[in-house]
Amino acid sequence: DAKTTQPNSMESNEEEPVHLPCNHSTISGTDYIHWYRQLPSQGPEYVIHGLTSNVNNRMASLAIAEDRKSSTLILHRATLRDAAVYYCILRGMTNSGNTPLVFGKGTRLSVIA
Amino acid sequence: DAGVTQSPTHLIKTRGQHVTLRCSPISGHKSVSWYQQVLGQGPQFIFQYYEKEERGRGNFPDRFSARQFPNYSSELNVNALLLGDSALYLCASSLRLAAYTDTQYFGPGTRLTVL
Repeated sequence: DAKTTQPNSMESNEEEPVHLPCNHSTISGTDYIHWYRQLPSQGPEYVIHGLTSNVNNRMASLAIAEDRKSSTLILHRATLRDAAVYYCILRGMTNSGNTPLVFGKGTRLSVIA
Repeated sequence: DAGVTQSPTHLIKTRGQHVTLRCSPISGHKSVSWYQQVLGQGPQFIFQYYEKEERGRGNFPDRFSARQFPNYSSELNVNALLLGDSALYLCASSLRLAAYTDTQYFGPGTRLTVL
Protein backbone atom coordinates (compact mmCIF):
# COMPACT_ATOMS: atom_id res chain seq x y z
CA ASP A 1 0.00 0.00 0.00
CA ALA A 2 1.17 3.50 -0.81
CA LYS A 3 2.38 5.32 2.28
CA THR A 4 2.33 8.81 0.82
CA THR A 5 -0.35 11.48 0.40
CA GLN A 6 -0.35 13.87 -2.53
CA PRO A 7 -2.87 16.35 -3.93
CA ASN A 8 -4.84 14.92 -6.83
CA SER A 9 -4.01 17.78 -9.16
CA MET A 10 -2.13 21.04 -9.43
CA GLU A 11 -1.87 23.75 -12.03
CA SER A 12 1.02 26.01 -12.93
CA ASN A 13 1.81 28.72 -15.41
CA GLU A 14 4.60 28.11 -17.85
CA GLU A 15 8.04 29.33 -16.77
CA GLU A 16 6.98 29.66 -13.13
CA PRO A 17 8.25 27.47 -10.27
CA VAL A 18 6.13 24.55 -9.13
CA HIS A 19 6.14 23.04 -5.65
CA LEU A 20 4.62 19.56 -5.49
CA PRO A 21 4.01 18.44 -1.88
CA CYS A 22 4.05 14.94 -0.45
CA ASN A 23 3.20 13.81 3.07
CA HIS A 24 4.70 10.61 4.44
CA SER A 25 4.12 10.72 8.17
CA THR A 26 4.85 6.99 8.69
CA ILE A 27 8.25 7.06 6.99
CA SER A 28 10.87 4.81 8.57
CA GLY A 29 14.46 5.77 9.15
CA THR A 30 15.72 3.74 6.19
CA ASP A 31 13.08 4.76 3.64
CA TYR A 32 14.32 6.77 0.69
CA ILE A 33 11.97 9.31 -0.89
CA HIS A 34 11.73 8.83 -4.64
CA TRP A 35 9.89 10.86 -7.24
CA TYR A 36 8.87 9.52 -10.62
CA ARG A 37 6.72 11.16 -13.26
CA GLN A 38 4.62 9.76 -16.06
CA LEU A 39 4.12 11.80 -19.17
CA PRO A 40 1.04 11.08 -21.29
CA SER A 41 1.21 7.74 -23.09
CA GLN A 42 4.61 6.88 -21.61
CA GLY A 43 5.99 4.74 -18.83
CA PRO A 44 7.08 6.41 -15.59
CA GLU A 45 10.49 8.04 -15.49
CA TYR A 46 12.79 8.74 -12.57
CA VAL A 47 13.03 12.33 -11.39
CA ILE A 48 14.98 12.43 -8.14
CA HIS A 49 15.46 10.74 -4.77
CA GLY A 50 16.82 11.58 -1.34
CA LEU A 51 17.12 10.37 2.24
CA THR A 52 17.59 13.32 4.58
CA SER A 53 19.32 16.19 2.84
CA ASN A 54 17.91 18.35 0.08
CA VAL A 55 18.92 17.15 -3.39
CA ASN A 56 19.32 18.86 -6.73
CA ASN A 57 19.69 17.48 -10.22
CA ARG A 58 19.17 18.74 -13.73
CA MET A 59 15.46 17.99 -13.64
CA ALA A 60 14.37 19.18 -10.22
CA SER A 61 15.12 19.79 -6.56
CA LEU A 62 13.88 17.79 -3.61
CA ALA A 63 13.33 19.52 -0.30
CA ILE A 64 12.94 17.16 2.67
CA ALA A 65 11.50 18.33 5.97
CA GLU A 66 13.73 18.02 9.00
CA ASP A 67 11.45 15.39 10.56
CA ARG A 68 11.22 13.65 7.16
CA LYS A 69 7.43 13.47 7.39
CA SER A 70 6.99 15.53 4.28
CA SER A 71 8.87 16.52 1.16
CA THR A 72 8.46 18.86 -1.78
CA LEU A 73 9.47 18.37 -5.37
CA ILE A 74 10.45 21.67 -6.94
CA LEU A 75 10.44 22.31 -10.68
CA HIS A 76 12.24 25.63 -11.01
CA ARG A 77 10.67 26.69 -14.30
CA ALA A 78 7.73 24.65 -15.49
CA THR A 79 7.46 23.99 -19.20
CA LEU A 80 4.64 22.42 -21.18
CA ARG A 81 6.75 19.26 -21.32
CA ASP A 82 6.52 18.98 -17.54
CA ALA A 83 2.78 18.27 -17.68
CA ALA A 84 2.57 14.78 -16.19
CA VAL A 85 1.48 12.73 -13.20
CA TYR A 86 4.08 13.01 -10.44
CA TYR A 87 4.45 10.14 -7.98
CA CYS A 88 6.06 10.41 -4.56
CA ILE A 89 7.23 6.97 -3.41
CA LEU A 90 8.87 5.67 -0.26
CA ARG A 91 11.35 2.94 -0.98
CA GLY A 92 12.94 0.70 1.59
CA MET A 93 14.07 -2.84 1.98
CA THR A 94 11.42 -5.58 2.17
CA ASN A 95 11.73 -8.90 3.97
CA SER A 96 12.24 -10.66 0.65
CA GLY A 97 15.11 -8.39 -0.25
CA ASN A 98 13.51 -6.86 -3.30
CA THR A 99 12.60 -3.21 -3.64
CA PRO A 100 9.47 -2.70 -5.71
CA LEU A 101 8.07 0.74 -6.33
CA VAL A 102 4.72 1.26 -4.60
CA PHE A 103 2.79 3.89 -6.54
CA GLY A 104 -0.16 5.89 -5.28
CA LYS A 105 -2.39 7.97 -7.54
CA GLY A 106 0.09 10.80 -7.75
CA THR A 107 -0.45 14.48 -8.57
CA ARG A 108 -1.54 15.43 -12.06
CA LEU A 109 0.31 18.63 -12.98
CA SER A 110 -1.15 20.84 -15.68
CA VAL A 111 0.99 23.60 -17.16
CA ILE A 112 -0.70 26.55 -18.75
CA ALA A 113 0.99 28.46 -21.55
CA ASP B 1 21.98 2.85 -25.63
CA ALA B 2 18.50 1.47 -26.22
CA GLY B 3 16.03 1.81 -23.39
CA VAL B 4 13.63 -0.82 -22.16
CA THR B 5 11.62 -2.24 -25.03
CA GLN B 6 8.28 -4.01 -24.85
CA SER B 7 6.21 -5.89 -27.38
CA PRO B 8 3.60 -5.78 -28.61
CA THR B 9 2.52 -2.17 -28.23
CA HIS B 10 -1.16 -2.96 -28.25
CA LEU B 11 -3.09 -6.18 -27.95
CA ILE B 12 -6.77 -7.10 -28.04
CA LYS B 13 -7.94 -10.41 -26.58
CA THR B 14 -11.22 -11.95 -25.55
CA ARG B 15 -12.18 -13.30 -22.15
CA GLY B 16 -10.69 -16.70 -21.35
CA GLN B 17 -7.77 -16.35 -23.74
CA HIS B 18 -4.10 -16.36 -22.82
CA VAL B 19 -1.58 -13.57 -23.48
CA THR B 20 2.21 -13.28 -23.48
CA LEU B 21 3.93 -9.94 -23.15
CA ARG B 22 7.64 -9.46 -23.74
CA CYS B 23 10.28 -7.15 -22.35
CA SER B 24 13.93 -6.50 -23.12
CA PRO B 25 15.83 -4.66 -20.37
CA ILE B 26 18.57 -2.10 -20.79
CA SER B 27 21.86 -3.78 -21.62
CA GLY B 28 23.64 -4.79 -18.42
CA HIS B 29 20.55 -4.68 -16.25
CA LYS B 30 19.84 -7.96 -14.51
CA SER B 31 16.59 -7.12 -12.74
CA VAL B 32 13.23 -6.92 -14.48
CA SER B 33 9.97 -5.93 -12.83
CA TRP B 34 6.42 -5.99 -14.16
CA TYR B 35 3.66 -3.55 -13.24
CA GLN B 36 -0.02 -3.30 -14.13
CA GLN B 37 -1.57 0.14 -14.57
CA VAL B 38 -5.33 0.34 -14.73
CA LEU B 39 -6.76 3.53 -16.19
CA GLY B 40 -6.68 6.36 -13.67
CA GLN B 41 -4.49 4.52 -11.16
CA GLY B 42 -0.79 4.33 -10.47
CA PRO B 43 1.16 1.25 -11.55
CA GLN B 44 0.82 -1.82 -9.32
CA PHE B 45 3.72 -4.23 -8.79
CA ILE B 46 3.25 -7.74 -10.19
CA PHE B 47 6.66 -9.47 -10.25
CA GLN B 48 10.36 -8.87 -9.93
CA TYR B 49 12.94 -11.20 -11.46
CA TYR B 50 16.66 -11.17 -10.91
CA GLU B 51 19.16 -13.56 -12.43
CA LYS B 52 16.27 -15.66 -13.81
CA GLU B 53 14.68 -16.19 -10.41
CA GLU B 54 11.47 -14.72 -9.05
CA ARG B 55 12.46 -12.43 -6.21
CA GLY B 56 9.19 -10.68 -5.51
CA ARG B 57 5.49 -11.01 -6.21
CA GLY B 58 2.66 -8.56 -5.72
CA ASN B 59 -0.94 -9.32 -4.84
CA PHE B 60 -1.98 -10.88 -8.12
CA PRO B 61 -3.70 -14.24 -8.79
CA ASP B 62 -1.90 -17.33 -10.02
CA ARG B 63 -3.21 -16.65 -13.52
CA PHE B 64 -0.27 -14.26 -13.74
CA SER B 65 3.15 -15.78 -14.24
CA ALA B 66 6.48 -14.66 -15.60
CA ARG B 67 9.95 -15.82 -16.38
CA GLN B 68 13.34 -14.36 -17.17
CA PHE B 69 15.67 -15.75 -19.77
CA PRO B 70 19.49 -16.11 -19.73
CA ASN B 71 19.79 -12.86 -21.74
CA TYR B 72 17.72 -11.15 -18.96
CA SER B 73 14.71 -10.54 -21.19
CA SER B 74 11.39 -11.45 -19.65
CA GLU B 75 7.89 -12.64 -20.46
CA LEU B 76 4.70 -11.98 -18.56
CA ASN B 77 1.94 -14.53 -19.09
CA VAL B 78 -1.69 -14.11 -18.14
CA ASN B 79 -4.10 -17.04 -18.41
CA ALA B 80 -7.91 -17.10 -18.49
CA LEU B 81 -8.16 -13.39 -19.21
CA LEU B 82 -10.83 -11.37 -17.45
CA LEU B 83 -12.27 -8.00 -18.44
CA GLY B 84 -10.52 -6.54 -15.40
CA ASP B 85 -7.13 -7.49 -16.83
CA SER B 86 -7.48 -4.68 -19.35
CA ALA B 87 -4.63 -2.35 -18.49
CA LEU B 88 -1.25 -0.96 -19.45
CA TYR B 89 1.44 -3.48 -18.57
CA LEU B 90 4.78 -1.89 -17.81
CA CYS B 91 8.19 -3.47 -17.64
CA ALA B 92 11.03 -1.86 -15.71
CA SER B 93 14.68 -2.80 -15.51
CA SER B 94 17.35 -1.94 -12.98
CA LEU B 95 20.96 -2.88 -12.35
CA ARG B 96 20.55 -4.68 -9.06
CA LEU B 97 17.95 -6.44 -6.97
CA ALA B 98 18.09 -5.08 -3.49
CA ALA B 99 19.39 -1.59 -3.92
CA TYR B 100 16.63 0.82 -3.09
CA THR B 101 18.51 3.76 -4.45
CA ASP B 102 18.70 2.22 -7.92
CA THR B 103 16.66 3.85 -10.63
CA GLN B 104 14.04 1.73 -12.35
CA TYR B 105 13.82 2.40 -16.06
CA PHE B 106 10.40 1.81 -17.56
CA GLY B 107 9.42 0.77 -21.04
CA PRO B 108 6.51 2.35 -22.90
CA GLY B 109 4.18 -0.47 -21.91
CA THR B 110 1.82 -2.86 -23.65
CA ARG B 111 -1.82 -1.79 -23.78
CA LEU B 112 -3.97 -4.90 -23.29
CA THR B 113 -7.68 -4.74 -24.00
CA VAL B 114 -9.87 -7.70 -23.03
CA LEU B 115 -13.27 -7.87 -24.72
